[in-house]
Amino acid sequence: SQQGEEDPQALSIQEGENATMNCSYKTSINNLQWYRQNSGRGLVHLILIRSNEREKHSGRLRVTLDTSKKSSSLLITASRAADTASYFCATDANAGGTSYGKLTFGQGTILTVHP
Amino acid sequence: EPEVTQTPSHQVTQMGQEVILRCVPISNHLYFYWYRQILGQKVEFLVSFYNNEISEKSEIFDDQFSVERPDGSNFTLKIRSTKLEDSAMYFCASGRERGYGYTFGSGTRLTVV
Repeated sequence: SQQGEEDPQALSIQEGENATMNCSYKTSINNLQWYRQNSGRGLVHLILIRSNEREKHSGRLRVTLDTSKKSSSLLITASRAADTASYFCATDANAGGTSYGKLTFGQGTILTVHP
Repeated sequence: EPEVTQTPSHQVTQMGQEVILRCVPISNHLYFYWYRQILGQKVEFLVSFYNNEISEKSEIFDDQFSVERPDGSNFTLKIRSTKLEDSAMYFCASGRERGYGYTFGSGTRLTVV
């Protein structure tokens, strides 16, 4: 498997339900970030969690990070039809030296929220 | 909210032609990046740029590619002699700090025919 892999690949839920997406990675990281992409559009930064943090909240978003398992999860609570998009995790690797901030993206989870 | 602006939004070019993709990063950002996303695939890092020079580049970023920040505001990606496999969405991104939450542009969809 590759750095930054999300599962599931696709998730279909009803409005009001919670959506959970998972991400696994392979290398040591400085931080892990989640981005959202509406169809054919640019990437929007959602939330960043540093390697020394375990959980972070932002509005309806909750991110967890388990560096021992090299995994993260993104929870969107009380989902809305407008949350329909692709969600990507991206890691900023810690190579033991200077990082120039290169992000390694996962394949993404396509979330569909039905009204 | 400040935005990263990319032009054009869509570019169609013939194989072998040169293209220049343009980006205007956020004005107080110091770190600049190009990524690309082939349809249905992952977003891939191409190159990072800081202090008027390339900081890091991927294997994809070969001699066919070059970047420039010609006037302190624009940031361009030039692809010489385009190939069919260069067809992708190209994203510019900028950040105030290295590795901490970038602002991406809406992308340029490049189609090589």
